[in-house]
Amino acid sequence: DGGITQSPKYLFRKEGQNVTLSCEQNLNHDAMYWYRQDPGQGLRLIYYSQIVNDFQKGDIAEGYSVSREKKESFPLTVTSAQKNPTAFYLCASKNFAAGAYEQYFGPGTRLTVT
Amino acid sequence: AQKITQTQPGMFVQEKEAVTLDCTYDTSDQSYGLFWYKQPSSGEMIFLIYQGSYDEQNATEGRYSLNFQKARKSANLVISASQLGDSAMYFCAMRDAGLNTGNQFYFGTGTSLTVIP
Repeated sequence: DGGITQSPKYLFRKEGQNVTLSCEQNLNHDAMYWYRQDPGQGLRLIYYSQIVNDFQKGDIAEGYSVSREKKESFPLTVTSAQKNPTAFYLCASKNFAAGAYEQYFGPGTRLTVT
Repeated sequence: AQKITQTQPGMFVQEKEAVTLDCTYDTSDQSYGLFWYKQPSSGEMIFLIYQGSYDEQNATEGRYSLNFQKARKSANLVISASQLGDSAMYFCAMRDAGLNTGNQFYFGTGTSLTVIP
């Protein structure tokens, strides 16, 4: 089945460690996005990529890094520079073809840093 | 500046009744898209309905309809015949039309809907 997978569902790390969140899609979508969601809040854009080997910062990119070496993969690294990394992270993708409107979301990764 | 505003943090509705979730947006673009997503407690984001800025008719998808009032910049979601499974967070979102922003989506802070049996 086509879709977006994020693994793991729950992730625990010690403060000061970098951690990489996985996002893979088999929808052949051009664009991919990373969002952060804090309790009771909406989604805030961290990074997005419209094409392989290219990506742009979103509204809250500080302390995060990404790569887009393959069309289907867009991993997010939460670095030790991110001051409040504990959050729910959602990956999304979108097709740029005509008539394709919505973003498709993965199931999310809940990161807890102590 | 806030692009999407949802002023109802929480709403309650009786089962089988209709409910309206409010959403206002802010953009100077002529071409844009408006979306509603549902987020159950599991965390996944489920796409519900889409309205294009040039669409003259309000969008409908089953029990969901979008009350689009362009002059007021509002895009309210109407859920008819509420079911217990409708209890979730609901997010309004707008897609930026700028080619340089990767079709960026802007999300509101959400409305928590509880359906009462």
